[in-house]
Amino acid sequence: QQPVQSPQAVILREGEDAVINCSSSKALYSVHWYRQKHGEAPVFLMILLKGGEQKGHEKISASFNEKKQQSSLYLTASQLSYSGTYFCGTAERYQKVTFGTGTKLQVIP
Amino acid sequence: DTGVSQDPRHKITKRGQNVTFRCDPISEHNRLYWYRQTLGQGPEFLTYFQNEAQLEKSRLLSDRFSAERPKGSFSTLEIQRTEQGDSAMYLCASSLVAGDASYNEQFFGPGTRLTVL
Repeated sequence: QQPVQSPQAVILREGEDAVINCSSSKALYSVHWYRQKHGEAPVFLMILLKGGEQKGHEKISASFNEKKQQSSLYLTASQLSYSGTYFCGTAERYQKVTFGTGTKLQVIP
Repeated sequence: DTGVSQDPRHKITKRGQNVTFRCDPISEHNRLYWYRQTLGQGPEFLTYFQNEAQLEKSRLLSDRFSAERPKGSFSTLEIQRTEQGDSAMYLCASSLVAGDASYNEQFFGPGTRLTVL
């Protein structure tokens, strides 16, 4: 079942922070985060595993609440280059990743 | 360039025609995925291969869709008798999996945009 992301879209000014949420109805083993710029392929950001947390980038971090079956992506001091659509992907152990509908982020000067 | 490549990048076809797309994964990657993405949506799983074996197909995938990975390297996705509803971006991704794939990074290709008239 597809994870649900919120918000669907957000507009930020440079330097502002944002949080993108991803929730699932299933017990999760891993949460994957990707960013896709218009007309380009999704690019990997990070993976979070049950029982641990992996940080992929300096100003982009994420948390994984296993009990609530939720993950949140934190973008701090946003830059213009952060603009794009962010997808979370969730997986049960040994299963394939299922992607959410995405959150469109626009950073303006 | 050692990334995932896809060919063609764009394909325009008439309804009822057959189309075939190719994906070349990163050379040492043993797993290859096909996804479909429509505007405003995330990648929707179609099928995946572990080496040359096709291990899973989406229940949403009709009989008009077929995929192969004959030698465990490149893969092809064929759509027969295309319909306007097939218009979408078709993405390929690959990963190196040793055991549990649920925590492996996927590397995506640039996609093939299909337009069915």
